[in-house]
Amino acid sequence: SQQGEEDPQALSIQEGENATMNCSYKTSINNLQWYRQNSGRGLVHLILIRSNEREKHSGRLRVTLDTSKKSSSLLITASRAADTASYFCATDYRGSQGNLIFGKGTKLSVKP
Amino acid sequence: KAGVTQTPRYLIKTRGQQVTLSCSPISGHRSVSWYQQTPGQGLQFLFEYFSETQRNKGNFPGRFSGRQFSNSRSEMNVSTLELGDSALYLCASSLELATARGAFFGPGTRLTVL
Repeated sequence: SQQGEEDPQALSIQEGENATMNCSYKTSINNLQWYRQNSGRGLVHLILIRSNEREKHSGRLRVTLDTSKKSSSLLITASRAADTASYFCATDYRGSQGNLIFGKGTKLSVKP
Repeated sequence: KAGVTQTPRYLIKTRGQQVTLSCSPISGHRSVSWYQQTPGQGLQFLFEYFSETQRNKGNFPGRFSGRQFSNSRSEMNVSTLELGDSALYLCASSLELATARGAFFGPGTRLTVL
């Protein structure tokens, strides 16, 4: 399977702390995207990083991409209770049929 | 702009029945993708339509089918329902193909098969 894998599967932190989630994938990509899903709802697109980029920022989010290690990380700084959600990475593999492949996700719990 | 809407939000069916789910994309978006989400398998790609043409398809049996209309609205149909089809079905829309810039997801349709 070309599915990406997030690590850890679950993460519990206190408000104000930083949260780091990792995603590993198997083959070359065009881009990698991060999504958030609140309990049983639709996904929200957070950020897209292309294969020729190493780092991107959006508000309290910082995403890095290491194509040599085939991995990406999502950092949420100064977390809030409202950040409690599942976070998924999705990859656009080179040579794929053009669909996104999602990982199983990291479940983040931010305690007030 | 209104977001992606999916109807119905919840559905209960019995084995052997068929079901049709509907998705209205964001105005101006030409691509609609469908995903199945289950606790065991996670998010799995079903198919993607772009300007009424199916651009790609995931590894699902032929019981799963879809179509897109000229106004970009999309429907997916599951025939001869099985218990394992119980899932959250998510629709996503994007200007171009979802892989290019990311996709906007609807709230999903929760299908329960009894």
